[in-house]
Amino acid sequence: AQRVTQPEKLLSVFKGAPVELKCNYSYSGSPELFWYVQYSRQRLQLLLRHISRESIKGFTADLNKGETSFHLKKPFAQEEDSAMYYCALRRAAGNKLTFGGGTRVLVKP
Amino acid sequence: GAGVSQTPSNKVTEKGKYVELRCDPISGHTALYWYRQSLGQGPEFLIYFQGTGAADDSGLPNDRFFAVRPEGSVSTLKIQRTERGDSAVYLCASSLSRLAGGYNEQFFGPGTRLTVL
Repeated sequence: AQRVTQPEKLLSVFKGAPVELKCNYSYSGSPELFWYVQYSRQRLQLLLRHISRESIKGFTADLNKGETSFHLKKPFAQEEDSAMYYCALRRAAGNKLTFGGGTRVLVKP
Repeated sequence: GAGVSQTPSNKVTEKGKYVELRCDPISGHTALYWYRQSLGQGPEFLIYFQGTGAADDSGLPNDRFFAVRPEGSVSTLKIQRTERGDSAVYLCASSLSRLAGGYNEQFFGPGTRLTVL
């Protein structure tokens, strides 16, 4: 069975500081990894996925199969980045998403 | 265009009662998912429909939970004999069909907050 762990429940950083959200997973096969974000009073939405290797809103994430990690990083946090962030995994041939417990990011002015 | 919609947005019921939660997916999306999010946790998968059939119901916690999608569009999640532990936000998501080797983004609805007193 697959599992996703986000060790930090809350990350508080100042505007302009770097932010890194940790995500570790356990899965024996080839996973697909995603980051979802939920801004205040909005619905859950996809932020980025490992397969596209893109930067969205300044965020990047690299899949490290050796360390089974998919950490989310942004070099300069903005106040509008304050939100709940969820790391999620899907089996390569599967459909359902397995989510981590989420990390709340608070960017202070 | 319109996104995934869910009704009601809030539902308060008493222990032992029956509830139905509705999901309207994005038009043309053949795949539909239900997730449950308890307080302080991430969403947990319940069931996945491809068209009218439940392709994967491995996440349903017990036989009090049932979901249908009779015409391949709207889906209803049904919970019998509700318990206080069923209190959570129930999320619905839809996507285009998953092509072999490809990915189709799951678009989430706003959720239904169920409170069982």
